[in-house]
Amino acid sequence: KAGVTQTPRYLIKTRGQQVTLSCSPISGHRSVSWYQQTPGQGLQFLFEYFSETQRNKGNFPGRFSGRQFSNSRSEMNVSTLELGDSALYLCASSLVGPLSGGLPGELFFGEGSRLTVL
Amino acid sequence: AQTVTQSQPEMSVQEAETVTLSCTYDTSESNYYLFWYKQPPSRQMILVIRQEAYKQQNATENRFSVNFQKAAKSFSLKISDSQLGDTAMYFCAFMTPWGRDDKIIFGKGTRLHILP
Repeated sequence: KAGVTQTPRYLIKTRGQQVTLSCSPISGHRSVSWYQQTPGQGLQFLFEYFSETQRNKGNFPGRFSGRQFSNSRSEMNVSTLELGDSALYLCASSLVGPLSGGLPGELFFGEGSRLTVL
Repeated sequence: AQTVTQSQPEMSVQEAETVTLSCTYDTSESNYYLFWYKQPPSRQMILVIRQEAYKQQNATENRFSVNFQKAAKSFSLKISDSQLGDTAMYFCAFMTPWGRDDKIIFGKGTRLHILP
């Protein structure tokens, strides 16, 4: 079974630009969550999607947005990039909910997309 | 709001030694899950071990075990007979059960170096 795939792996942008990151979950996983990882803040939750609906959102400005498609693939977008947005963005998928199987918290992570904002 | 604190930003131990990573958390919930995730250098994060708060018995996975102290809200990870491949960033995480708030809250991580 293929793992979680994130694209692109590396990208460099300049301030003010926007970026779109993609995440393909493990087949059958309906939940996709996104995290921002920085050396100072660790892992911070951005948002989580389940069946194309955003169920949870972290404390990030509205410049950070996401969506999920009917095939569970997800994208996140960051508009008007700032220097502080430089980070590793991780995507994780999971089987969520007692009816869909899986154990709580069993996240499967991708390798991440490393964004550098100049 | 729940919080997770890892007080050791970085640790180094010799290969074959035992090391304990600390984690404390704060919650008003009585039922929840705790996790340790491992992120090796330039590799994907993986689940190491999981503990259900309603279970008194400490979880164990091969060389990895936890010391879960619910009253103290402490959840430490012990790695026995450490190996070079254990070098990684370790994250402690917290989650409430299904249907409450499915997002997982992570600590800031402990960078562990296993020295040859």
